[in-house]
Amino acid sequence: DTAVSQTPKYLVTQMGNDKSIKCEQNLGHDTMYWYKQDSKKFLKIMFSYNNKELIINETVPNRFSPKSPDKAHLNLHINSLELGDSAVYFCASSQKRPGQGYEQYFGPGTRLTVT
Amino acid sequence: AQSVTQLDSHVSVSEGTPVLLRCNYSSSYSPSLFWYVQHPNKGLQLLLKYTSAATLVKGINGFEAEFKKSETSFHLTKPSAHMSDAAEYFCVVTPGYSSASKIIFGSGTRLSIRP
Repeated sequence: DTAVSQTPKYLVTQMGNDKSIKCEQNLGHDTMYWYKQDSKKFLKIMFSYNNKELIINETVPNRFSPKSPDKAHLNLHINSLELGDSAVYFCASSQKRPGQGYEQYFGPGTRLTVT
Repeated sequence: AQSVTQLDSHVSVSEGTPVLLRCNYSSSYSPSLFWYVQHPNKGLQLLLKYTSAATLVKGINGFEAEFKKSETSFHLTKPSAHMSDAAEYFCVVTPGYSSASKIIFGSGTRLSIRP
């Protein structure tokens, strides 16, 4: 069974459209994340939720809105898509244990192309 | 404050020769340190982690890393490179004891293997 899954795997859309990416984890973790990876492979954290509560909200345009209906799901909705939004978006989850840091499990990624 | 620096953006070695990927960090807390690997068009996979136990950490696929507090380093090594090791590698620092989910990714090192 896939631990962290994302849908869709590929998303091609036009500028100005609104789209969503879904993420689900079956690991029982209480923290989930969204990352953006640009063409140079640089990974930037966008959001993090802990038990459905937003705990990290980096400098991301308001067009991006995460939603966590329960602790196993974290979706990303993007309004008014722009060319610069083209990237690979990764979902991840983790369960912090005392003294163990945040070992993350990543989904396979969603490649978003805005034309 | 925390930061992580991967000293080489690209490393190229011959198959069968040793691999060294360098990572330096700074952290106000006792950190947890991770190495992740990303194969082309795939998500990130945990290679190994340091969480204040043994300073020499062994991971999957023959990789290991040594935590050196005096040098603030966590370099990744492998005695003998294999063609399948060609990938992007990320060094990550997270707070070991803080309740804040602040996770810092390095900029990545692309490992190429020459036949």
